[in-house]
Amino acid sequence: NAGVTQTPKFRVLKTGQSMTLLCAQDMNHEYMYWYRQDPGMGLRLIHYSVGEGTTAKGEVPDGYNVSRLKKQNFLLGLESAAPSQTSVYFCASSITGTGTYEQYFGPGTRLTVT
Amino acid sequence: EDKVVQSPLSLVVHEGDTVTLNCSYEVTNFRSLLWYKQEKKAPTFLFMLTSSGIEKKSGRLSSILDKKELFSILNITATQTGDSAIYLCAVTDPSHSWGKLQFGAGTQVVVTP
Repeated sequence: NAGVTQTPKFRVLKTGQSMTLLCAQDMNHEYMYWYRQDPGMGLRLIHYSVGEGTTAKGEVPDGYNVSRLKKQNFLLGLESAAPSQTSVYFCASSITGTGTYEQYFGPGTRLTVT
Repeated sequence: EDKVVQSPLSLVVHEGDTVTLNCSYEVTNFRSLLWYKQEKKAPTFLFMLTSSGIEKKSGRLSSILDKKELFSILNITATQTGDSAIYLCAVTDPSHSWGKLQFGAGTQVVVTP
């Protein structure tokens, strides 16, 4: 089991460029999440998905889009990158069912927008 | 607005010391509190606490929840350099069936030899 994987690990973009971050999980989890982590701010939820074909906004969704075409994959897109989107991005997944809230995290993608 | 506050924000200790980390929360509908350890990369799960007064223990780490006073502590005894990490606290809100986690900012722990 690879768990949760993310590609790429690092990326540098210029302002206005676009990119897609890929998250894949092999645990058959229904729920998947995208977070960003900035110094002193903990993890903030960008978008999440409760199943294949469904997505919803989290706390900080502006400037990002997501898609969940396959259960195991969750894509995060930046259409026009801005310096404020410089951050470390984490994908996570969790199993279905109430009372089970443990989320499993990927290794992160460090994105710099210049 | 729901809040999760961790303290201290950072600390430096010597190997062998004991560390106590705090997490206080204000959430509308509390269900459980989770602790994660984050080294260089992905946060990894440590504990989930749902009941007051019951200590969870794993090796030199232990944690307890006080639902009346709305806080949890994470203790690390006989610290080692491998305990250096950011420790994250998160609470769950069952009004979101998909298991939303509200994270605190984290406490950075540095253990020096």
